[in-house]
Amino acid sequence: QKEVEQDPGPLSVPEGAIVSLNCTYSNSAFQYFMWYRQYSRKGPELLMYTYSSGNKEDGRFTAQVDKSSKYISLFIRDSQPSDSATYLCAPGRGAQKLVFGQGTRLTINP
Amino acid sequence: GAVVSQHPSRVICKSGTSVKIECRSLDFQATTMFWYRQFPKQSLMLMATSNEGSKATYEQGVEKDKFLINHASLTLSTLTVTSAHPEDSSFYICSAPGGAMETQYFGPGTRLLVL
Repeated sequence: QKEVEQDPGPLSVPEGAIVSLNCTYSNSAFQYFMWYRQYSRKGPELLMYTYSSGNKEDGRFTAQVDKSSKYISLFIRDSQPSDSATYLCAPGRGAQKLVFGQGTRLTINP
Repeated sequence: GAVVSQHPSRVICKSGTSVKIECRSLDFQATTMFWYRQFPKQSLMLMATSNEGSKATYEQGVEKDKFLINHASLTLSTLTVTSAHPEDSSFYICSAPGGAMETQYFGPGTRLLVL
């Protein structure tokens, strides 16, 4: 079993839709939960991070962590074509010890 | 803040040659940097942790004699792919921890093609 499981997609939704991206993980020691966005042929950029359980909101993005079920989610509201990218979840025991999911390729259609 | 650069952005080389990739933290110091490899449509795989002033730590299955890492200063780490072969063709990305949470900031990546 992989430490982090993420549906690779591709996921295609119309502009304005709410997008839900998810990951599961197996290591209960993970305390840091990051989401990175990666555009084609570019390095990943940090989108959001949370520590331990709970929700965090930043503009149109909301990150949720449920440690009891080892489930991580990222929600995108009012999705835009510019949100089209690959989204990588990256939980870890520390901010420097991350395990990356496979990434979900997301396309927002105008 | 927390900008990481890489050079070159892409390189094509012949099989058997060596290629050096540079990773720089532009506006902060990094005693630790990380090197990842990413194959098409796959996630990032950590290759090694670069430590300023000491030897790098390699992940299981990564040949340290093939992927030489030198962390020469607090802002520069280099990865040298020695005797490159076509199977080494990949996207190499470095990162450095920064900011209040010491989260990882990634460079733009280097695309290596070995012919």
